[in-house]
Amino acid sequence: GQQLNQSPQSMFIQEGEDVSMNCTSSSIFNTWLWYKQDPGEGPVLLIALYKAGELTSNGRLTAQFGITRKDSFLNISASIPSDVGIYFCAGPPSNTGKLIFGQGTTLQVKP
Amino acid sequence: GAGVSQTPSNKVTEKGKYVELRCDPISGHTALYWYRQSLGQGPEFLIYFQGTGAADDSGLPNDRFFAVRPEGSVSTLKIQRTERGDSAVYLCASSPGGRGGTDTQYFGPGTRLTVL
Repeated sequence: GQQLNQSPQSMFIQEGEDVSMNCTSSSIFNTWLWYKQDPGEGPVLLIALYKAGELTSNGRLTAQFGITRKDSFLNISASIPSDVGIYFCAGPPSNTGKLIFGQGTTLQVKP
Repeated sequence: GAGVSQTPSNKVTEKGKYVELRCDPISGHTALYWYRQSLGQGPEFLIYFQGTGAADDSGLPNDRFFAVRPEGSVSTLKIQRTERGDSAVYLCASSPGGRGGTDTQYFGPGTRLTVL
């Protein structure tokens, strides 16, 4: 079945540094979503992308929908301690509500 | 306003027992989803309701798993004859409904199920 592969698996960075992570798929997605999950909580939607080539920002977060529709990137600028968490990419394999998630990128920020 | 709530937050049971996990979606949301998240993995889709009916149950791993949403609001995920491999966090999400893959899903905090 369809899978989403995220890299890196984990990152440990200094506060203030920029972060970049990506997500690739073996098949085309028409929507790309980026979620963040804190310990003991459910995932929270950060950014949604609906068009190939689209670049969307949400504060210090910027995400891009790859031209091939098989990848997406998430960048976080000037990281702060509250950015700590697990970041997931996700997408619907068809025009239904079902979402497929990547395995996540764990971000740790050193003050 | 209230978000998605799930009860219990933690459930410990013995192998072979029956468990029920409850989800209260955001008021007015017609779509409801169940996912399962194992340690170190992303959520894995189980079942999706639009109203009272299961629109897609392709993610249910076997016939020990069953979910209902009789009045189109609260949903219950039922697991019979639990196995140790069923241990995971069970997440529920709801969305306004009607927009298919572009409908934003709002997740609850999950129920952590441990099967001894």
